[in-house]
Amino acid sequence: GNSVTQMEGPVTLSEEAFLTINCTYTATGYPSLFWYVQYPGEGLQLLLKATKADDKGSNKGFEATYRKETTSFHLEKGSVQVSDSAVYFCALGGSYIPTFGRGTSLIVHP
Amino acid sequence: DAMVIQNPRYQVTQFGKPVTLSCSQTLNHNVMYWYQQKSSQAPKLLFHYYDKDFNNEADTPDNFQSRRPNTSFCFLDIRSPGLGDAAMYLCATSRDAGVRETQYFGPGTRLLVL
Repeated sequence: GNSVTQMEGPVTLSEEAFLTINCTYTATGYPSLFWYVQYPGEGLQLLLKATKADDKGSNKGFEATYRKETTSFHLEKGSVQVSDSAVYFCALGGSYIPTFGRGTSLIVHP
Repeated sequence: DAMVIQNPRYQVTQFGKPVTLSCSQTLNHNVMYWYQQKSSQAPKLLFHYYDKDFNNEADTPDNFQSRRPNTSFCFLDIRSPGLGDAAMYLCATSRDAGVRETQYFGPGTRLLVL
């Protein structure tokens, strides 16, 4: 079956540091890949997505590239801000329902 | 703005007292989902509707029921809440089912069981 593995958190960074959150997946077929973000006390919201191999999703300075050869979709940002503190979920699109990773908490200090 | 709305945002109930959570959407999406999310965990799918077609996850307890009276509304009924049911409940929608579909989440209802 489908599965998503994310690096464990929390990830703690200083403002303006470089961010990488690793995500690898196992899937049959050709699913889309997603990153969702959850701010404290809120629901999840889509951050970015990629629908096929070698696609790059990007939004708000975050990027992730769909790498079929390494079955990965790592999230990166060149310079994080305090306002990026949240929980980030990697997800894989399924035929009916998506599969979510466990989430990675990011804490950014001023 | 088109959106997913959940009411109430916070719900306190007593052990064993039935409770209903509601979700509405203005996106006119075909699929609606209910997730349970406990602290520091991924959302766990309870069930979903494709239009009126109800799909229950195999490990969803019988204590949890759902209704979708029309396209816009979906309800989660917890018949006899236990302490272990305290969690954030997230409603989500998607335009259709399939590997490319984005999910749109509501803000969640935090349930406390006393």
